[in-house]
Amino acid sequence: AQKVTQAQTEISVVEKEDVTLDCVYETRDTTYYLFWYKQPPSGELVFLIRRNSFDEQNEISGRYSWNFQKSTSSFNFTITASQVVDSAVYFCALSEVGGSEKLVFGKGTKLTVNP
Amino acid sequence: EAGVVQSPRYKIIEKKQPVAFWCNPISGHNTLYWYRQNLGQGPELLIRYENEEAVDDSQLPKDRFSAERLKGVDSTLKIQPAELGDSAVYLCASSPRAAQNSYNEQFFGPGTRLTVL
Repeated sequence: AQKVTQAQTEISVVEKEDVTLDCVYETRDTTYYLFWYKQPPSGELVFLIRRNSFDEQNEISGRYSWNFQKSTSSFNFTITASQVVDSAVYFCALSEVGGSEKLVFGKGTKLTVNP
Repeated sequence: EAGVVQSPRYKIIEKKQPVAFWCNPISGHNTLYWYRQNLGQGPELLIRYENEEAVDDSQLPKDRFSAERLKGVDSTLKIQPAELGDSAVYLCASSPRAAQNSYNEQFFGPGTRLTVL
């Protein structure tokens, strides 16, 4: 069975601090996709990134970066120089390849960035 | 391009009453999903449609929940009768047709927040 664990329930930082959101996953599949979504107070899930299990290269997009380590089954997300607008709930998710495309989500981490 | 549209955004009902949620996916997206998100949790899939066919409804509580996507476009999710534990946000998502062994991003709507009193 697939499972995603986000151990951090809530994180609070001050603006301009760097913050890392942890994600650990479990799957028996050899190929899979990993995702991060952002859910602002408005409620809509906003796609941030998709990573194929074959691609362990870290990725950077502006202030966002992702560290995928297959050896530890982790897919961590770092926000550099956080801003108040980054305040939201962030979800890590997992999906098998070529199957139902069902997304299995973690419980989310609520990030609050204070001015 | 318009996103996934859901209505209503909020619904408050008393237990044992029926309720229905509506979803209009992004134009051209043949796959439609309904997820339920309980407070403090991540979304969980209820049902997935490929066009008008429900291809995965294994997690839909069929005693009280039903869904339809008659023309392969809009979809309706119904609960009858509602229970206190059904209070949650119901999210609809859609994605375009996926090529074999690839993945197409799911685009989510804003959700319907249901409160059962």
